[in-house]
Amino acid sequence: KAGVTQTPRYLIKTRGQQVTLSCSPISGHRSVSWYQQTPGQGLQFLFEYFSETQRNKGNFPGRFSGRQFSNSRSEMNVSTLELGDSALYLCASSLDLQGGSGNTIYFGEGSWLTVV
Amino acid sequence: GENVEQHPSTLSVQEGDSAVIKCTYSDSASNYFPWYKQELGKGPQLIIDIRSNVGEKKDQRIAVTLNKTAKHFSLHITETQPEDSAVYFCAATLRGRRALTFGSGTRLQVQP
Repeated sequence: KAGVTQTPRYLIKTRGQQVTLSCSPISGHRSVSWYQQTPGQGLQFLFEYFSETQRNKGNFPGRFSGRQFSNSRSEMNVSTLELGDSALYLCASSLDLQGGSGNTIYFGEGSWLTVV
Repeated sequence: GENVEQHPSTLSVQEGDSAVIKCTYSDSASNYFPWYKQELGKGPQLIIDIRSNVGEKKDQRIAVTLNKTAKHFSLHITETQPEDSAVYFCAATLRGRRALTFGSGTRLQVQP
């Protein structure tokens, strides 16, 4: 079974540009969430989607947005990039059943974004 | 919101020794506590998790204990090996909220 797949793995953008990152969850997983990892702030939750709806949101500005498609694949977008947005962006997926192991969260390898 | 503190930030042990990493959480409504291992250039890999209705869980050389009263949980790795060297993160999630709050990480180095 394939794991969480993220594309692209590495990218460099210029300040002011926008970027879109893509995530394919583990087959059958319905919940997709996104995290930002930086040396200074650690791992921080961005948002979570289920059935194409955003269910949970972290404390990030509106420049960070996401969406989920009917096949559970997800994208996140960052507009008007700032130098501080340089980070590893991690996608995670979960089966999201009621109880049991449904809430176990699995991460992809991440997309390394450098803003120059 | 939830806050998770993790100690120590770095840990160096000799191969074959045990390693213990401790985390505390702030919100008593948290009910799920996973541990992740992250190797350089890779995403976090789930190594073990525990739910609030269980006090201890073991998987071969790895064990996790949970003390709900004190709101802390710990990762125990026995018979450490060089391939255990990585950064370990604890996390917690509130009941009904599918968002992990992570600790700041522990860099474990196992000296051969």
